[in-house]
Amino acid sequence: EAQVTQNPRYLITVTGKKLTVTCSQNMNHEYMSWYRQDPGLGLRQIYYSMNVEVTDKGDVPEGYKVSRKEKRNFPLILESPSPNQTSLYFCASTAAPKLRGYEQYFGPGTRLTVT
Amino acid sequence: SQELEQSPQSLIVQEGKNLTINCTSSKTLYGLYWYKQKYGEGLIFLMMLQKGGEEKSHEKITAKLDEKKQQSSLHITASQPSHAGIYLCGAAPNSGGSNYKLTFGKGTLLTVNP
Repeated sequence: EAQVTQNPRYLITVTGKKLTVTCSQNMNHEYMSWYRQDPGLGLRQIYYSMNVEVTDKGDVPEGYKVSRKEKRNFPLILESPSPNQTSLYFCASTAAPKLRGYEQYFGPGTRLTVT
Repeated sequence: SQELEQSPQSLIVQEGKNLTINCTSSKTLYGLYWYKQKYGEGLIFLMMLQKGGEEKSHEKITAKLDEKKQQSSLHITASQPSHAGIYLCGAAPNSGGSNYKLTFGKGTLLTVNP
């Protein structure tokens, strides 16, 4: 089954404690992306990756890091989480970013609370 | 930058009723995605439209893109409680850049009362 998986699904942590949210896709997609969803602000892109070792900033990259060492994995790293990073996070992937018409698959989401 | 406005923001209907959700873009749409989200959960892909005048259907849900490619509508026929959730429209980027970021509307919250 084609899918994007994220772990953990729920996480409560404290300010400053480094954490990683993993994302994995089984569709051999080149393009992967992270979004955060906040009430009243909708979905905003954090980082994206065109392929292995190719990443770039989205709209709200501050406080986040990513890496793309393997095609299937795209972890989101919060080196020093702060309460304003409390949000619902989604990982997404798609096959061919330059060829429009491809479905973007989204993961189930990770609800992060930073106290 | 491209903006998407969805209307209505929320909608309560009786089971069995038809309903329409609209998505209007400030710029020409090069690809319009419809997703459904259960509260606090992931986005489920419904349909994608690309051509002006295009219409697609899946079960009781029909989506259309107008000829000018600036407005899309999602129509649900004979709504059921399983249709309840948040419906989001997302626009594909209108340039040939490397970032395939979808720009989303704020969503329409649909409640279907039995």
